[in-house]
Amino acid sequence: AQKVTQAQTEISVVEKEDVTLDCVYETRDTTYYLFWYKQPPSGELVFLIRRNSFDEQNEISGRYSWNFQKSTSSFNFTITASQVVDSAVYFCALSASTTSGTYKYIFGTGTRLKVLA
Amino acid sequence: NAGVTQTPKFQVLKTGQSMTLQCAQDMNHEYMSWYRQDPGMGLRLIHYSVGAGITDQGEVPNGYNVSRSTTEDFPLRLLSAAPSQTSVYFCASSYGFPEAVYNEQFFGPGTRLTVL
Repeated sequence: AQKVTQAQTEISVVEKEDVTLDCVYETRDTTYYLFWYKQPPSGELVFLIRRNSFDEQNEISGRYSWNFQKSTSSFNFTITASQVVDSAVYFCALSASTTSGTYKYIFGTGTRLKVLA
Repeated sequence: NAGVTQTPKFQVLKTGQSMTLQCAQDMNHEYMSWYRQDPGMGLRLIHYSVGAGITDQGEVPNGYNVSRSTTEDFPLRLLSAAPSQTSVYFCASSYGFPEAVYNEQFFGPGTRLTVL
């Protein structure tokens, strides 16, 4: 099976707290990519990061960091010192091969993050 | 570049009506796809295309048709609208294979469809 699980439906934190959004995936592919997207209240989908299956280095971009662990099939996203503007729905996604020889993207159900002032 | 454009932004249909959601991109992307977003369900893939003339079904294709006659356009047709098709629809595009495996998708602004 190829799937992405985001078990946290909704998380509420107070501003300046750190928060981690979990993403667990299943794939039969040996080469694959994982992605995070942000959907703010305005509704558009914004790409945040990609990670390939051969690169397990953590990535940091400002207050955002990502931890990819192949051993646990997880690609977690941490926001440090959260801000109200971080309030959004966050989606984790996986590029997956298809039986017809092409590929598709599989999304998790999303985690709604509410950052309270 | 306009990126990915979708029309209309909002639409209300009656059960049984048909309509086409338009999607166009000006980035010369080969890969295009349609998703629907429902509360608690995330983004579910309806149909996708890896290039002009090639389409394939996603996770929830029933009740929808697509065609890809040009690289730029990827319309989604609702054959006979049902209340279960009330949703927000997103079109997305990305570079073609093999680059698309590792390239992010660019999303349109979405179409909010209500079927009464």
